Order: sequence, then structure tokens, then C-alpha cells
Amino acid sequence: GENVEQHPSTLSVQEGDSAVIKCTYSDSASNYFPWYKQELGKRPQLIIDIRSNVGEKKDQRIAVTLNKTDIHFSLHITETQPEDSAVYFCAASSYSGGYNKLIFGAGTRLAVHP
Amino acid sequence: DTAVSQTPKYLVTQMGNDKSIKCEQNLGHDTMYWYKQDSKKFLKIMFSYNNKELIINETVPNRFSPKSPDKAHLNLHINSLELGDSAVYFCASSHMPETQYFGPGTRLLVL
Repeated sequence: GENVEQHPSTLSVQEGDSAVIKCTYSDSASNYFPWYKQELGKRPQLIIDIRSNVGEKKDQRIAVTLNKTDIHFSLHITETQPEDSAVYFCAASSYSGGYNKLIFGAGTRLAVHP
Repeated sequence: DTAVSQTPKYLVTQMGNDKSIKCEQNLGHDTMYWYKQDSKKFLKIMFSYNNKELIINETVPNRFSPKSPDKAHLNLHINSLELGDSAVYFCASSHMPETQYFGPGTRLLVL
């Protein structure tokens, strides 16, 4: 079935460093790739998304890149801050039974140390 | 003014009981979802309704029964609760197939 692999599962960086999280998807027809941030005890919240007709998208310190040839996409966070500490989930759309659904990666726990 | 709301926020119950979780969205979306997040934080879709019609039904025990009385509401009823049902259940909504917005979650603990 459809699958999204996310790496690494945990990531520890010093404040000010960059963080990169990579996801590989199995459904080559996927055309929508959102990233969610989930703080402890809170709901997942969308931070950025990208569609298959775009190779890169940036929003302040956050950027996402999509490589359709190698079927992977990545989240880049620059100048990390302690408030970036959270679990990050990637997802890829998958068409099934006439409808799209999101397949989520297993999550990356990011810790930013002051 | 919360966009997607769920009740209750916490649910502690005994094995074998039946319980319901309610979800409401005021975003005007046509599609609603139920997700289960286990202790390892993995987010797994359970059900999805589009315009009150069930469109996604993953391999979930038939003890779980969703109901959508209208486009703004999606409820989840669970019969004969088991220990393994303990998890956080998230409701979400979207304009199919666009961005999904999640509710605050219902933390279910089965004793």
C-alpha cells in the first residue's frame, strides 16, 4: 500500500543551526505534500505545503523542496530557535477509491538546545 | 471561535464500556476525518466523510462507528472499549483534497 518514510526519527541541534528532515513517498502520483508541526499535547498544525508543480517553497525560516524524480521531499529550518522544538510530520496525498487521502510519515522529534 | 472543536478533551473509562466523541467544524469544509495517534505519535487515518458520505474506511475494527449528521459534524462511537483503544483521537476537516485542519484531540484512556 501507500507509504511515507520519514528520517530522522529524532534530531537534536543547537540554537541557530539548520535542521533538515527528509521524506520519501511510494505513490508517484502524489501531488500534495504538507508538513505539520505538533507541539507537546497540542494538535498538528500546518506549517508549509508544496504541490507537485513546484520544486521549492519558502516561508521565512522554513523551506520545503520536492524532488519528483527521486520521489522525496524535505523540510529545511534555518536559524533554529528553542520554540521550533516539536514533532514534525510530513504527508503525501494518495488517490484511492476516487478520493485523495493523506499518508503521514512517522514523525521527527526535533529538539533545539539553547 | 475554534475552527475545529472536539468534545470531550479527556475520556477515562473502563474496558467494555461504550463511548462517543463529537467533532464540529465551522470552516464550511465539505470533508471531515478521524485520525488515531498512538503512544508512538503515529498518525493513522480511520475514516473520512465527504458531504455526509463515507469515503474512506480504513481497516478499523467494526466496534468503531462514525456518523455524520451534517457536513459540519462528525461523531465517533466506540463499542466495547479495549485497552488498545487508548490513544489520542483527532478530528480534521478540509475542502477535499486540500489542507486538513485538526481539532485539539480527545485523549482516551481505557482502564
